[in-house]
Amino acid sequence: QSVLTQPPSVSAAPGQKVTISCSGSSSNIGNNYVSWYQQLPGTAPKLLIYENNKRPSGIPDRFSGSKSGTSATLGITGLQTGDEADYFCGTWDSSLSGDVFGTGTKVTVL
Amino acid sequence: QLQLQESGPGLVKPSETLSFSCTVSGGSISSSTYHWGWIRQPPGKGLEWIGSINYSGRTYYNPSLKSRVTISVDTSKNQFSLNLSSVTAADTAVYYCARKYYYDSSGYYPHYSDQWGQGTLVTVSS
Repeated sequence: QSVLTQPPSVSAAPGQKVTISCSGSSSNIGNNYVSWYQQLPGTAPKLLIYENNKRPSGIPDRFSGSKSGTSATLGITGLQTGDEADYFCGTWDSSLSGDVFGTGTKVTVL
Repeated sequence: QLQLQESGPGLVKPSETLSFSCTVSGGSISSSTYHWGWIRQPPGKGLEWIGSINYSGRTYYNPSLKSRVTISVDTSKNQFSLNLSSVTAADTAVYYCARKYYYDSSGYYPHYSDQWGQGTLVTVSS
């Protein structure tokens, strides 16, 4: 049902880096800003990245975002056990005239 | 600090209407900058956008749910609401309300949800 595709899971050891991809189309990522959300177990999603690469106040610079064409990427460096969560990308879809979210990626710290 | 609080039933019978409200505190719902939306998440699954509304009542709905969804706003109560009719077990999910930054005065549309309610699990079962 999701129009944005993410890998189901990524993992790495503490201190390492992971990247999460988000693939869409010209009607969504290609022509609109991308945001990223972190969802810790049992909690509501939390805004992590907005406008492709900006961090809200309080979000450490270990988290970064980028966009190229119809894809976006979330990067997490210096991985910590507290980063274990589900991560979702989101954007507006101009064809659907609505918000769309990615399929979600579970980050595991080995 | 802006807060959103959902209120609604935890259990709804099949074919009935699910009704939720979201009360906004610490800020005004009457702003052209923001839209107010509903997102749901079936157990163990991803996020699904249901729809959103602005302070003047303009609505946007997920095409897959549009025939069953009504979102309304009451600026006097700083509150917005969701009605989802003819529910089935497939509508069992955690329902979130959220504030979405829709339009920036610089002339662009950021489209991100910066504040979320805590979420409420709704189970559709007889």
